[in-house]
Amino acid sequence: DTGVSQDPRHKITKRGQNVTFRCDPISEHNRLYWYRQTLGQGPEFLTYFQNEAQLEKSRLLSDRFSAERPKGSFSTLEIQRTEQGDSAMYLCAGETAISGNTIYFGEGSWLTVV
Amino acid sequence: RKEVEQDPGPFNVPEGATVAFNCTYSNSASQSFFWYRQDCRKEPKLLMSVYSSGNEDGRFTAQLNRASQYISLLIRDSKLSDSATYLCVVNADSSYKLIFGSGTRLLVRP
Repeated sequence: DTGVSQDPRHKITKRGQNVTFRCDPISEHNRLYWYRQTLGQGPEFLTYFQNEAQLEKSRLLSDRFSAERPKGSFSTLEIQRTEQGDSAMYLCAGETAISGNTIYFGEGSWLTVV
Repeated sequence: RKEVEQDPGPFNVPEGATVAFNCTYSNSASQSFFWYRQDCRKEPKLLMSVYSSGNEDGRFTAQLNRASQYISLLIRDSKLSDSATYLCVVNADSSYKLIFGSGTRLLVRP
C-alpha cells in the first residue's frame, strides 16, 4: 500500500463534459505528481506540487486541464470540455522529503471519453 | 529524440532464463534513476533504484553507465511472475520531475 488513493477509479463521460479526479496522499507526501498514461506508452508527466505550490506544468497540460492542491493535502485534476484523446489512465503519485526522488503511485483513474 | 528510450520488446523467455534490458537517456545532467514494474492495467510500482555503483536485489541487478548514458536491468532465473512491463525512469536535470520510458515487455513462459 503506497498510501495514495485516487477517486473515481473509472469514469466514462461524454465528449464535452467536465471531469474531476481526486488524489489523497499520506501526510508525509510533500510532493505530489500527476501523470497520464495511454496504452503502450509510459506515464507522461503532467504537473507536480510541492506542498500547495504547483511548481511545474507540462506542455501536455492544455488550458482545458487544471490541477490544484489546496492546503498541501489532497489534489484535484479537472479536465474541461473533454475530448476523445483525453481517454487515458490518470495517475497520481506521492513523494516524501526523504524518499530520494522515489515516487509511489496510486491505483490510477481510468477515463473513457465517448 | 525521446528523453528515455527503451526497446519495447516483447522479450519472450523460458522460466529460469537470464534476461537483460537496456535503456538510454538523453540528459547528461540527470541524477536519479529507477526501474519500475507495471502489470497489465495496474499502476507502476518501484522495482529498484539505480546507483552509480550498481545495485543488486535478489535476482535483479541494475547498472548505470553515466559516460554512455544508459541503464541496464538484469533478471536472473526468470519466474512466470516476472512477466510484466519494465519502465526505465530518469529525473529531468535539476527538476524533481521523473521521465518514464515507454517500457519493455517481458513474457516468461513455462
